[in-house]
Amino acid sequence: GAGVSQSPSNKVTEKGKDVELRCDPISGHTALYWYRQSLGQGLEFLIYFQGNSAPDKSGLPSDRFSAERTGGSVSTLTIQRTQQEDSAVYLCASSLSSGNQETQYFGPGTRLLVL
Amino acid sequence: GENVEQHPSTLSVQEGDSAVIKCTYSDSASNYFPWYKQELGKRPQLIIDIRSNVGEKKDQRIAVTLNKTAKHFSLHITETQPEDSAVYFCAASILTGGGNKLTFGTGTQLKVEL
Repeated sequence: GAGVSQSPSNKVTEKGKDVELRCDPISGHTALYWYRQSLGQGLEFLIYFQGNSAPDKSGLPSDRFSAERTGGSVSTLTIQRTQQEDSAVYLCASSLSSGNQETQYFGPGTRLLVL
Repeated sequence: GENVEQHPSTLSVQEGDSAVIKCTYSDSASNYFPWYKQELGKRPQLIIDIRSNVGEKKDQRIAVTLNKTAKHFSLHITETQPEDSAVYFCAASILTGGGNKLTFGTGTQLKVEL
């Protein structure tokens, strides 16, 4: 079946502009995660959604970052007033998150460059 | 919060040799430890994981060991092949049934030389 997809694959923006990144999880997966991967670094947790529960926003680096998940499926990550330090690859992952099905499947990522 | 340290940051081995990557974690409540492989420009992919109720798990040439007392876990790759060349990330989390927030190590660049 189809894996996790993300769009756009690349985004170049000017400092101060807002950007929206989209994630389509695997159908039926109840959990959705956003991570950020800076050049040569590990993955940094940003936010996750689990079913109808309130999202865990504990990893968001500032109030310029927000995310939504509509209808329990597609999610958008919004970065307002982008800064150069926001440049990174933004990865989305989804999982069934039930029983022993905890594996997170990652999307291809959106490479964001803030000039 | 959880902190995961990973070493070495780079590892070069000859084809056929074994490779070992080590990680330590700080939160004794962590009970789930996956390993991801990321090839250049591609998405991370799970290669093996282990839960805290077992000490070792093996899948063909890949094995993971866990020492809960010392709070460290390791990835072992035997008979390495050129296609094993990639960045490997360890991670740790607390499975609660309500989500699985992973804390990742900083990665190990493995190069398998012919």
